[in-house]
Amino acid sequence: KAGVTQTPRYLIKTRGQQVTLSCSPISGHRSVSWYQQTPGQGLQFLFEYFSETQRNKGNFPGRFSGRQFSNSRSEMNVSTLELGDSALYLCASSLGQAATNEKLFFGSGTQLSVL
Amino acid sequence: GQSLEQPSEVTAVEGAIVQINCTYQTSGFYGLSWYQQHDGGAPTFLSYNGLDGLEETGRFSSFLSRSDSYGYLLLQELQMKDSASYFCAVGDSNYQLIWGAGTKLIIKP
Repeated sequence: KAGVTQTPRYLIKTRGQQVTLSCSPISGHRSVSWYQQTPGQGLQFLFEYFSETQRNKGNFPGRFSGRQFSNSRSEMNVSTLELGDSALYLCASSLGQAATNEKLFFGSGTQLSVL
Repeated sequence: GQSLEQPSEVTAVEGAIVQINCTYQTSGFYGLSWYQQHDGGAPTFLSYNGLDGLEETGRFSSFLSRSDSYGYLLLQELQMKDSASYFCAVGDSNYQLIWGAGTKLIIKP
């Protein structure tokens, strides 16, 4: 089985731009959750999608949004980028909802640098 | 607020045993998970405790006490490849997965 695929692996943007990150989950997994990780920090929950519906959203501004397609692939978008958005963005797929502690399978992440 | 506390760094010797603690304060509880992350890599699942007690998976064991809001990850027969960061995570009543800041495990030969 192919693992979770995130693209692109690296991104460099400037302040004010927008960015779209992509995540393809493991085949058969219907849940995709997104996390932001900064150096020395744990993962901060962004949002989770299940069967094309956003199940819940973390404490992030409205500039962070996402969606999920019928094939379970998910995208997250960050508009009007700020320097503080520089981070590793990870997505994870699971059979069920992430918070019920289903085993999560992570992609390698997208390293976003905002200059 | 909701939080998970774990030590920022632990140092141990190759072949030894090390315990990484995690205390949590969350609204609701859907179990405690542990993940390992090597530098530059993705987190990988290690173990899950939904009920009190010890879960063993090879050299790794995890323990949970819900009455104490406490758990730990025990690594035995440490190997150099175990050098990584270890994260605990708890699902809360808002169906969000709350993560600790991670424990960097340094193993010396």
